[in-house]
Amino acid sequence: EVQLMETGGGLVQPGKSLKLTCATSGFTFSTAWMNWVRQSPEKGLEWIARIKPKSTNYATEYAESVKGRFTISRDDSKSSIYLQMNSLKEEDTATYYCTRGGGWGQGVMVTVSS
Amino acid sequence: DVVMTQTPPSLSVAIGQSVSISCKSSQSLVYSDGKTYLHWLLQSPGRSPKRLIYQVSNLGSGVPDRFSGTGSQKDFTLKISRVEAEDLGVYYCAQTTHFPNTFGAGTKLELK
Repeated sequence: EVQLMETGGGLVQPGKSLKLTCATSGFTFSTAWMNWVRQSPEKGLEWIARIKPKSTNYATEYAESVKGRFTISRDDSKSSIYLQMNSLKEEDTATYYCTRGGGWGQGVMVTVSS
Repeated sequence: DVVMTQTPPSLSVAIGQSVSISCKSSQSLVYSDGKTYLHWLLQSPGRSPKRLIYQVSNLGSGVPDRFSGTGSQKDFTLKISRVEAEDLGVYYCAQTTHFPNTFGAGTKLELK
């Protein structure tokens, strides 16, 4: 069974940083394309980042809204991906989901507020 | 970015009724490999989204055949035959043909 579990969310002040982790199991992680998608009442569902497998030199892609501030990474030995979020803004407030193909994690809430 | 327009925004249905949801994209969703990467998701209340249908018409694992997807190019439809209580929630279409991937705004299915 495919499982994806996000951790690391919380309340953070604008301009600060936060790192999310997505631990996975139940599929061949090393060859998987992994994504982060976020959801907020204001913007709905928004794809924000993707990391491809080692065969692509771990190529990454980002939405314009987070490019230069967020960094996606992966550790194949731990079947996990990460999202380092820097220079957070109030508009980054959302539930963040880790996704792979048709599978979604349960999500983790990030609130950016002073 | 490709804009995904879903209609209607909400639907009020009775159990056993059949319903259809439309999704139109601002560009063709046919990829260079000939496949169309249009998918349907359901987000049940308090839950994360779950993919129901992938590539227009393929049912996800464990998805009942009351669900069906049709369409091509820029015009797609999700049909639910004989709605059951567990089908209530928000339905989203999503495209992964073009970068960046984009989602519709959702159609909320409620009980009449």
